[in-house]
Amino acid sequence: AQSVAQPEDQVNVAEGNPLTVKCTYSVSGNPYLFWYVQYPNRGLQFLLKYITGDNLVKGSYGFEAEFNKSQTSFHLKKPSALVSDSALYFCAVRDVNDYKLSFGAGTTVTVRA
Amino acid sequence: GAVVSQHPSRVICKSGTSVKIECRSLDFQATTMFWYRQFPKQSLMLMATSNEGSKATYEQGVEKDKFLINHASLTLSTLTVTSAHPEDSSFYICSARSRGGFNEQFFGPGTRLTVL
Repeated sequence: AQSVAQPEDQVNVAEGNPLTVKCTYSVSGNPYLFWYVQYPNRGLQFLLKYITGDNLVKGSYGFEAEFNKSQTSFHLKKPSALVSDSALYFCAVRDVNDYKLSFGAGTTVTVRA
Repeated sequence: GAVVSQHPSRVICKSGTSVKIECRSLDFQATTMFWYRQFPKQSLMLMATSNEGSKATYEQGVEKDKFLINHASLTLSTLTVTSAHPEDSSFYICSARSRGGFNEQFFGPGTRLTVL
């Protein structure tokens, strides 16, 4: 079984401040990890993924995430948030031996000007 | 590349009617397509997995006679909500898994279904 936890329903930050969205996961084998962003009434847009290799993954729009195997975490970060980053963010995981994605509950990010 | 489209983007229908939603992979062949349902401010729930040329595999609790899935080609899957009722109102999102490489999933823009 695989699962994802996003412990924060909402994250509020001021524009220009660092942004962190937390994610922890559980899989039986090795994980593939993903972050997606969703704007209102839109589908999911891919931000970044971890498959193997360097634990620090850089993605779209200045986002990055760090894979931490010991803490089973994959937190999303952005050094300087923009108002346009306000959206719903999903972390997802799949086992390397499976094709199904499991999504977290989502975290609503609000960046105030 | 790796674009997935859905049609229609929005649909409003009367209770008791059936609605068909199309999911297309525009620039790649998708061996597998997935259908998700999303309630407001909630996560995506996988409804079913469809493989080209075979029957869809439904997740537990999803009525296969209610949500008919057809995956007729490597670029098209359809979801038909039969005899729709207001509780079927939701945001439906499809994704397509590419054939080669990492087999990553690419998501469509979603379809907002409102049943009156």
